[in-house]
Amino acid sequence: GAVVSQHPSWVICKSGTSVKIECRSLDFQATTMFWYRQFPKQSLMLMATSNEGSKATYEQGVEKDKFLINHASLTLSTLTVTSAHPEDSSFYICSAPGPLSYEQYFGPGTRLTVT
Amino acid sequence: GQNIDQPTEMTATEGAIVQINCTYQTSGFNGLFWYQQHAGEAPTFLSYNVLDGLEEKGRFSSFLSRSKGYSYLLLKELQMKDSASYLCAVDRGSTLGRLYFGRGTQLTVWP
Repeated sequence: GAVVSQHPSWVICKSGTSVKIECRSLDFQATTMFWYRQFPKQSLMLMATSNEGSKATYEQGVEKDKFLINHASLTLSTLTVTSAHPEDSSFYICSAPGPLSYEQYFGPGTRLTVT
Repeated sequence: GQNIDQPTEMTATEGAIVQINCTYQTSGFNGLFWYQQHAGEAPTFLSYNVLDGLEEKGRFSSFLSRSKGYSYLLLKELQMKDSASYLCAVDRGSTLGRLYFGRGTQLTVWP
């Protein structure tokens, strides 16, 4: 089946620094990918839609200048958390639609801890 | 606004049957998904309903009533490994794949 990977799987950074998270579709192409955030014991919240070759579409309440998304190729989307603060500590998960367009394949997630 | 409701927690014993309900009110609808998520891991796909009725896949079945804004996930012959969070998610349809998730139902299966 379709596989989506994320890198890194976990990262610890200091407050005020920036962190880049990669999401790759390994055996298929994805013109669209999605980024979610999940706080402990809460559900996934859609942050933005990453569009290959064009600007990302952000959900209401998500700061586009803080969460920079780049979708430079058909297999790679990146999320950069700029000027990270402890409240940005969360589990970040990406997804991409597989061969059956309705089915989303999720990456394994990236655990971000900001100290 | 958008609202997806499901119970927070459920418990059951091995071998039993459990039904997890989900009600939704969304401005668009292009299908309803159920995902299973173990702690610290990504969700895994269980089922997709876009038309009314029951979809059966092995020990798991999912039902949808669009007129009632209602779905359920039915798990049969429960096993200990089924202990996990079960997430109901609606695709609102403006772009395929934009999923809006409920808070999840934490299912604990006891021996």
